Amino acid sequence: DAGVIQSPRHEVTEMGQEVTLRCKPISGHNSLFWYRQTMMRGLELLIYFNNNVPIDDSGMPEDRFSAKMPNASFSTLKIQPSEPRDSAVYFCASKTDGPNSPLHFGNGTRLTVT
Amino acid sequence: DAKTTQPNSMESNEEEPVHLPCNHSTISGTDYIHWYRQLPSQGPEYVIHGLTSNVNNRMASLAIAEDRKSSTLILHRATLRDAAVYYCILNYGGATNKLIFGTGTLLAVQP
Repeated sequence: DAGVIQSPRHEVTEMGQEVTLRCKPISGHNSLFWYRQTMMRGLELLIYFNNNVPIDDSGMPEDRFSAKMPNASFSTLKIQPSEPRDSAVYFCASKTDGPNSPLHFGNGTRLTVT
Repeated sequence: DAKTTQPNSMESNEEEPVHLPCNHSTISGTDYIHWYRQLPSQGPEYVIHGLTSNVNNRMASLAIAEDRKSSTLILHRATLRDAAVYYCILNYGGATNKLIFGTGTLLAVQP
């Protein structure tokens, strides 16, 4: 079990550029979550998928953010155009169905927008 | 959505027990109580979970109040490696799978 794999680990980009963060969930997990963490706002839930379908995207800050899950083993979070206030650590997490199954997090992508 | 309340920070001495409290007064009957911790520069990791009964695993123990409106994570012998932010969250038993983290408790462990 390789765990949840996120790439890249670090991303530095200039304001206005498109940024794509990638996530491979644990095989067999059918729920996938994207979180954003900053000192000011803590760990925020952006969006989550169940069986590749977006269930709740109410945490996505604005239209510049979009997320897709084309298949059970891959998801992307895209920011276009990026802004300095998007600088944060973005975590992907996955789990199986059921309230007694734990959430498994990746190591995160640290995004810096200059 | 049911929410949890935790102290912002706590301190402990190495090799002493630590009791981390969590209030979840609006918990519903099918909500599981989950605890995670986040070590510096890492993603959160699962610690333990329970529904009604107290639970033990190799990392910690979870004590759940009889009315389920509060719970306590117990680290039996704190080590320096236990210094982290500890999150208590509710995993809803209904159709929604929304998992919302609060601000957690920052645990400092003194040698």
